[in-house]
Amino acid sequence: AQKVTQAQTEISVVEKEDVTLDCVYETRDTTYYLFWYKQPPSGELVFLIRRNSFDEQNEISGRYSWNFQKSTSSFNFTITASQVVDSAVYFCALSYPMDTGRRALTFGSGTRLQVQP
Amino acid sequence: DSGVTQTPKHLITATGQRVTLRCSPRSGDLSVYWYQQSLDQGLQFLIQYYNGEERAKGNILERFSAQQFPDLHSELNLSSLELGDSALYFCASSHPAGGQETQYFGPGTRLLVL
Repeated sequence: AQKVTQAQTEISVVEKEDVTLDCVYETRDTTYYLFWYKQPPSGELVFLIRRNSFDEQNEISGRYSWNFQKSTSSFNFTITASQVVDSAVYFCALSYPMDTGRRALTFGSGTRLQVQP
Repeated sequence: DSGVTQTPKHLITATGQRVTLRCSPRSGDLSVYWYQQSLDQGLQFLIQYYNGEERAKGNILERFSAQQFPDLHSELNLSSLELGDSALYFCASSHPAGGQETQYFGPGTRLLVL
């Protein structure tokens, strides 16, 4: 069975602080994809990043960076110099096993990030 | 803007009623997914369609059904509504590029059952 755990329910930081959102996943599949989505107060789900299980290179996009470690089944997300606009709920998600032909995502419970001015 | 559209944005109805949620995927996307987001269950996959055919089913109740039409838009039908069906319903779409395609989500339909 697949599972995504985001143990941090809520994090509050002050603007310009760095913050890391943790994501731990469980899967028996050897080929899979991991995702991060952002849900701002307006409610929509915004795609941030997709990572496949063969690529453990860390990725940086502006103030965002992602650390994928297969050995610990973790895919953590760091926001550097946080801003008030980063306030949102962030979801980590895992794809279904590829050989089933299914493409649905298993989501974690989300981490609510509040950035105080 | 993801390019996925959903109507209506908000829906208020009574228990026992039936509603239809509509989704138009991004141009060129063949797959449509429906997800339910509720406070107690979180984000859960309901059903996937690919080019008009059902591809996968998740935790979808028997009272719920969906279809994808030849123009690729999709509808999610919820019947005999209960209070617990109140949730945010998302549609997502993806393009078949091989492997795991990225799913882009619509703005959601917020359903309130009174």
